Amino acid sequence: DVKVTQSSRYLVKRTGEKVFLECVQDMDHENMFWYRQDPGLGLRLIYFSYDVKMKEKGDIPEGYSVSREKKERFSLILESASTNQTSMYLCASSSYPQTVNYGYTFGSGTRLTVV
Amino acid sequence: AQSVTQLDSQVPVFEEAPVELRCNYSSSVSVYLFWYVQYPNQGLQLLLKYLSGSTLVKGINGFEAEFNKSQTSFHLRKPSVHISDTAEYFCAVSDLSGNTPLVFGKGTRLSVIA
Repeated sequence: DVKVTQSSRYLVKRTGEKVFLECVQDMDHENMFWYRQDPGLGLRLIYFSYDVKMKEKGDIPEGYSVSREKKERFSLILESASTNQTSMYLCASSSYPQTVNYGYTFGSGTRLTVV
Repeated sequence: AQSVTQLDSQVPVFEEAPVELRCNYSSSVSVYLFWYVQYPNQGLQLLLKYLSGSTLVKGINGFEAEFNKSQTSFHLRKPSVHISDTAEYFCAVSDLSGNTPLVFGKGTRLSVIA
C-alpha cells in the first residue's frame, strides 16, 4: 500500500560527495515536493514541481538541485554535501487543490548524515 | 504570505485524559487546513483536513478539529488519549489556488504518560 517511496531510509555520506535522493509516487499526482525536517524548525520547503521538467525554489534551495524527468519521479541532488545538510528529508506528492482528495502524501523519509 | 503558529512545542498528558493541540494561521485569503501526525522515524500521515463545508472535521484515530474563521484557528482535539498517540503533530495551511505549497507549523510533540 506504499504510495510515495523514498529510495533510502538511512544514508551516510562524506563531505563533498554528490548525493542523490530519489522519490517515486504511484498515484499519478501532478505535484511533488522536497522538505527537510530539523528539530525545532519543523518542515522547510527545498524545491517543488507542478509538472514534468518544471521546478520551483522553495524557502531553502541553496546547496540543492532537483530533477523531474518523469511525472512519477522527483530527485533531490546535493551537489557537494556538507555537514549542515545532515537532516531528515521528506518527499511528498499531491493532486490539484480543487480535487476532493487534495492533501499531501508523504514518503517515509531519508535520514541523511554527512560526515 | 501564509504562516502557521503552533502555540505549544510540547504537550504532556496522562493516558485517557482529553487533549487540545492549538494551531493559528495567518492569511488574507480563504484557506485549506490540515493536521498531520508523525510517529518516530516515519513520514507524515494525514490526520484530517478542512477543505469546505462543516467547520467540525473528524479524522482518524478519534481526532477532530474545528475551523474557526473569525479566530483564524484550527485546534486539534481528542477526548481520551492513548499511549499510542505519542507522536509529533503538524498543522498546515494552503490557499485555495494551490499556487503556493503547504506551509507547516513547527510541530507539537504530544507525550502520553501512563
